[in-house]
Amino acid sequence: DGGITQSPKYLFRKEGQNVTLSCEQNLNHDAMYWYRQDPGQGLRLIYYSQIVNDFQKGDIAEGYSVSREKKESFPLTVTSAQKNPTAFYLCASSIRLGTSGVSGANVLTFGAGSRLTVL
Amino acid sequence: AQKVTQAQTEISVVEKEDVTLDCVYETRDTTYYLFWYKQPPSGELVFLIRRNSFDEQNEISGRYSWNFQKSTSSFNFTITASQVVDSAVYFCAGGGATNKLIFGTGTLLAVQP
Repeated sequence: DGGITQSPKYLFRKEGQNVTLSCEQNLNHDAMYWYRQDPGQGLRLIYYSQIVNDFQKGDIAEGYSVSREKKESFPLTVTSAQKNPTAFYLCASSIRLGTSGVSGANVLTFGAGSRLTVL
Repeated sequence: AQKVTQAQTEISVVEKEDVTLDCVYETRDTTYYLFWYKQPPSGELVFLIRRNSFDEQNEISGRYSWNFQKSTSSFNFTITASQVVDSAVYFCAGGGATNKLIFGTGTLLAVQP
């Protein structure tokens, strides 16, 4: 079955450590996204990528980094510069704008999420 | 700037009651797209519906229905005869010409047996 796999599901990190969250999709989607979810704040966009080797900052990119070397993969690194990293992280993917005659914001398919706790 | 408002933080109903979740989307775009997603306790968001700003027809899918009113920027979601399995957090989201979606803060729906 096609879908998005996020790993690990739970992760604990000591302050000052970098940690990388994995996101893999087999939906053949060009676009991928990382969202952060905090209680009472909904989902906020961290980074997004519309195509391989290209990505843009979202609304809360500070303290995070990404790479997009393969179409299927969009890992997120939470660096020690992120002051409050404890959160639920969701990866998503979609078809690229203009694909198949679909205009405007497209449907996002989400992974099951990774919960990061900083000790 | 775009803004999605879900004023209801939590709603609790008894099974078989109807329930409406409110959403207001503010934007200067003339063309935009609205979405509803369901997040069960497992955490994965599940897509429910996508509508564009030119289509104000109500949509019905089983026990779910959606009412879009452009004049009030509202895109409300009604569950008829609620069931315990409907218990989840429901997110409204909006987007324009780009693939960037703005999400509301979510409404936690608890359906009691």
